[in-house]
Amino acid sequence: EIVMTQSPASLSVSPGDRVTLSCRASQSVSSNLGWYQQIPGQVPRLLFYGASTRATGIPARFSGSGSATEFTLTISSLQSEDFALYYCQQYHRWPVTFGGGTKVEIK
Amino acid sequence: QVQLEQSGAEVKKPGASVTVSCKASGYTFTDYHIHWVRQAPGQGFEWMGIIHPNGGSTSYAQRFQGRVTMTRDTSTSTVYMELSSLRSDDTAKYYCARVVIPAAGYDAFDLWGQGTMVSVTS
Repeated sequence: EIVMTQSPASLSVSPGDRVTLSCRASQSVSSNLGWYQQIPGQVPRLLFYGASTRATGIPARFSGSGSATEFTLTISSLQSEDFALYYCQQYHRWPVTFGGGTKVEIK
Repeated sequence: QVQLEQSGAEVKKPGASVTVSCKASGYTFTDYHIHWVRQAPGQGFEWMGIIHPNGGSTSYAQRFQGRVTMTRDTSTSTVYMELSSLRSDDTAKYYCARVVIPAAGYDAFDLWGQGTMVSVTS
């Protein structure tokens, strides 16, 4: 199966900071990658699919990029509601697999 | 309102089976594949399998083969996930999720159920 590795595992940032999260696939997944945000106790929310297509209602401060094995989620100016866990997911090959997540915490 | 509504929390003993339901509303049920994903407490996500409501075809993750069964009832727009031979490490929140693109089997998930907590304890 394709292993998805996210880095860093956690980071402490301040509101207004620019944040870059990474996701690496053990083999190419083309652009078949999704990004999710999960606030503890809540249902995951889709941010991007196709690596860079913003899902409905996602603010423009979020951007997704990359292809093949290297992907990036960027938050241009972190807002208070963005402190959460972020997961990447590949759906290029069975079985669907997720990264271990990156926790974005308040500094 | 477009939503997936799951059944309530379950407490089961080791060796038992559990069935979780996921009722779709607000969209054409047979147009979108449904996946099942679980999340153990404090952990990430584990994909369990997929069902196509139009026809009922399924595909399961290898580690659940023989223990999981996914079915659907088109008359009530509901999919079901049964997991048998439960163990303590099956304790998790189980989610159904709809793909973002109609007719796409494997895709990102834009609509999630609220999750069903299944606790396996003796």
